Amino acid sequence: SAVISQKPSRDICQRGTSLTIQCQVDSQVTMMFWYRQQPGQSLTLIATANQGSEATYESGFVIDKFPISRPNLTFSTLTVSNMSPEDSSIYLCSVVADGSYEQYFGPGTRLTVT
Amino acid sequence: AQSVSQHNHHVILSEAASLELGCNYSYGGTVNLFWYVQYPGQHLQLLLKYFSGDPLVKGIKGFEAEFIKSKFSFNLRKPSVQWSDTAEYFCAVRPSGSARQLTFGSGTQLTVLP
Repeated sequence: SAVISQKPSRDICQRGTSLTIQCQVDSQVTMMFWYRQQPGQSLTLIATANQGSEATYESGFVIDKFPISRPNLTFSTLTVSNMSPEDSSIYLCSVVADGSYEQYFGPGTRLTVT
Repeated sequence: AQSVSQHNHHVILSEAASLELGCNYSYGGTVNLFWYVQYPGQHLQLLLKYFSGDPLVKGIKGFEAEFIKSKFSFNLRKPSVQWSDTAEYFCAVRPSGSARQLTFGSGTQLTVLP
């Protein structure tokens, strides 16, 4: 299994500002992802964080709004830029364990934009 | 692209009742199937998974699920629920061999009355 930690666990931010969320995994993993869970809804994949190259974004998500870094195999950051109230969500880091292909999720970052 | 349907949005049961949560997916090829659980205030946990082999899979806490290929279904069952099973349950699917495209259903909120 993989143990994932995220910082911050929650934050309240003002419209127009940016927040960077950190994700740390206790083991090296190849596949790392960022998801969003909007209030009362299911999880939506934002992007795949690729180590050493640009992230791969899903339809509806762009790099300018959600820049992602992946400097090594255990760490990634997601920035939510120029925030609006519509960005209020839980943002989750997720990894696929090398070998078992099981997918694990971090505890999430609850973001509220006022 | 694949999709997942969970028909029950909110299920309310008394303790010791039997549980079955429906999950149907849409995808033309072979798939990996998952059930995740999210207890109040906690992060997503893997309940069980199906990759191949025996279509009846057993997970943690007495849960099981059966993959019926002809019906594109992966229903979750438990013969006798407990109050502690109160949580949100998510079905998810991804194409076999793809560690990236995990698609979630909308979730089912289970409330077990003591």
